[in-house]
Amino acid sequence: NAGVTQTPKFQVLKTGQSMTLQCAQDMNHNSMYWYRQDPGMGLRLIYYSASEGTTDKGEVPNGYNVSRLNKREFSLRLESAAPSQTSVYFCASSLTTNTEAFFGQGTRLTVV
Amino acid sequence: AQSVTQPDIHITVSEGASLELRCNYSYGATPYLFWYVQSPGQGLQLLLKYFSGDTLVQGIKGFEAEFKRSQSSFNLRKPSVHWSDAAEYFCAVVPNQAGTALIFGKGTTLSVSS
Repeated sequence: NAGVTQTPKFQVLKTGQSMTLQCAQDMNHNSMYWYRQDPGMGLRLIYYSASEGTTDKGEVPNGYNVSRLNKREFSLRLESAAPSQTSVYFCASSLTTNTEAFFGQGTRLTVV
Repeated sequence: AQSVTQPDIHITVSEGASLELRCNYSYGATPYLFWYVQSPGQGLQLLLKYFSGDTLVQGIKGFEAEFKRSQSSFNLRKPSVHWSDAAEYFCAVVPNQAGTALIFGKGTTLSVSS
């Protein structure tokens, strides 16, 4: 039972490079999320998708874009990476937006 | 503004001692409430949740939490802490309405001393 799978697990980017973080869930959940975790800041919501075909901004969306590719997959794109985007990124999914979320293992991203 | 507050950034307790981690929320109506735990280098694991009903909820690993509407609180407790409980703990809430998303507190780091 894979749950929520994120790729890659680690990534180093140079300032200005782009990349896409991938996330897939196999629990037939309707809602998916991207969070970033920084020391002392907890988890902050970047974007979420309440259901297939919809996406909404969270608390810290600037510099990011998302795509809900299908019910299983929700990707996060950094078009022009900045050092301020160095963080650990977590993808999560839930049956609906007001049920418990299940988290992936995270992607540690460093922008130099 | 809607918010989740965990007043304690870091707590140290002795192994075998009791534990209480505090969580307060600021929402217009009672939201759905959760506690998650994160071990170093790991993802988040759900400890327990409160949607409605009995205000004392039991979770995994011997944890429990009590919802107090009058205090807008959802504190996490454990009667006897084990060294393996050392981790970061997050309180999270989601409003009781469709289309919103889980919001987290900043977390409390628990250290366990022998």
